[in-house]
Amino acid sequence: KAGVTQTPRYLIKTRGQQVTLSCSPISGHRSVSWYQQTPGQGLQFLFEYFSETQRNKGNFPGRFSGRQFSNSRSEMNVSTLELGDSALYLCASSLGQMPSYEQYFGPGTRLTVT
Amino acid sequence: QKEVEQDPGPLSVPEGAIVSLNCTYSNSAFQYFMWYRQYSRKGPELLMYTYSSGNKEDGRFTAQVDKSSKYISLFIRDSQPSDSATYLCAMRVPNAGKSTFGDGTTLTVKP
Repeated sequence: KAGVTQTPRYLIKTRGQQVTLSCSPISGHRSVSWYQQTPGQGLQFLFEYFSETQRNKGNFPGRFSGRQFSNSRSEMNVSTLELGDSALYLCASSLGQMPSYEQYFGPGTRLTVT
Repeated sequence: QKEVEQDPGPLSVPEGAIVSLNCTYSNSAFQYFMWYRQYSRKGPELLMYTYSSGNKEDGRFTAQVDKSSKYISLFIRDSQPSDSATYLCAMRVPNAGKSTFGDGTTLTVKP
């Protein structure tokens, strides 16, 4: 079974630009969650999508948004990039409902904002 | 105060040692407990997933959950240099869309 894939793996952007990251979950998984990982803050939850609906949202500004398509693939968008947005962005997929909430992570997209 | 506290380490042990990694939590609503291993510049890899209090074993790894004390542990037996990584504990409330992670413990196993 193929794992979670994320594209692109690396990105370099300039302050003020916007960026779109993509995530393809494990086949059959309907939940996709996004996390930001930085050395200082660890893994911080951004949002979760389940069957094309945002089901939960973390404490990030509105510049961070996402969506999920009918095939469960998800995209995350960050507008008006700031230096502090430099991080590893991780996508995790799961069945998203009882009995299993196990989350499987992709390799991440490393975003550098200059 | 963070909902999940994890011993930051770093932890350095000789090959073959038994490793104990620990997390405490404050939210009694957490019902699902996970341990992830993360190698440098990679995504976290799910090692163990438990729902109830008690022990769960998988090869050299044993996960232990004590809900009464709000304490979870991961034991690694016969540790290998390939176990050198950052270990993250994570916890989840049923029907919540997110997992709450500890900050991770960096482990080095020396040959």
